[in-house]
Amino acid sequence: GQQLNQSPQSMFIQEGEDVSMNCTSSSIFNTWLWYKQDPGEGPVLLIALYKAGELTSNGRLTAQFGITRKDSFLNISASIPSDVGIYFCAGPQGAQKLVFGQGTRLTINP
Amino acid sequence: EPEVTQTPSHQVTQMGQEVILRCVPISNHLYFYWYRQILGQKVEFLVSFYNNEISEKSEIFDDQFSVERPDGSNFTLKIRSTKLEDSAMYFCASTRELGTGELFFGEGSRLTVL
Repeated sequence: GQQLNQSPQSMFIQEGEDVSMNCTSSSIFNTWLWYKQDPGEGPVLLIALYKAGELTSNGRLTAQFGITRKDSFLNISASIPSDVGIYFCAGPQGAQKLVFGQGTRLTINP
Repeated sequence: EPEVTQTPSHQVTQMGQEVILRCVPISNHLYFYWYRQILGQKVEFLVSFYNNEISEKSEIFDDQFSVERPDGSNFTLKIRSTKLEDSAMYFCASTRELGTGELFFGEGSRLTVL
């Protein structure tokens, strides 16, 4: 099946820094999704991208759907402590299910 | 704000025992899911459920697994005879419509098989 590869696997940054992470696939996705998982909780959708080339913002978060439809990136500007968590990219595989990347773990030093 | 609720939050069981994990999806949602996350790994699809039947299942979802919507609110995952490798966090999710990719996840049930 389709696989999503995320990089980096983990990031250690200072509060206030900007963050960039990306997700690639060997096959095309028609939708790209970015979820965040806080410790001890389920994933929560941050941003959904539906069109190749689309750039979408949600507060300090910005995500882009790559033109080739095989990649996406997520940027976080001016990081704050509550940004800590695991960020997953995801895409639909068929009509019913999502396939997730392995996640990027973000740690922030105050 | 409506949310997906799961019980128990943590269950410890002996290998070979039956386990039932319970979920109450958001009330006006129509599509229901179970996902699994082994510690430190990615979230993996197990099964989707719509209109009182399984619509899709993964290779992980073998004969030891079953799902049920016994009434209008609960959605359960049963593991008949647990194995050590079933130890994971199990997430229930629901959505009102397909196509958006937005699933609403519960907080998860951690299953530990000894």
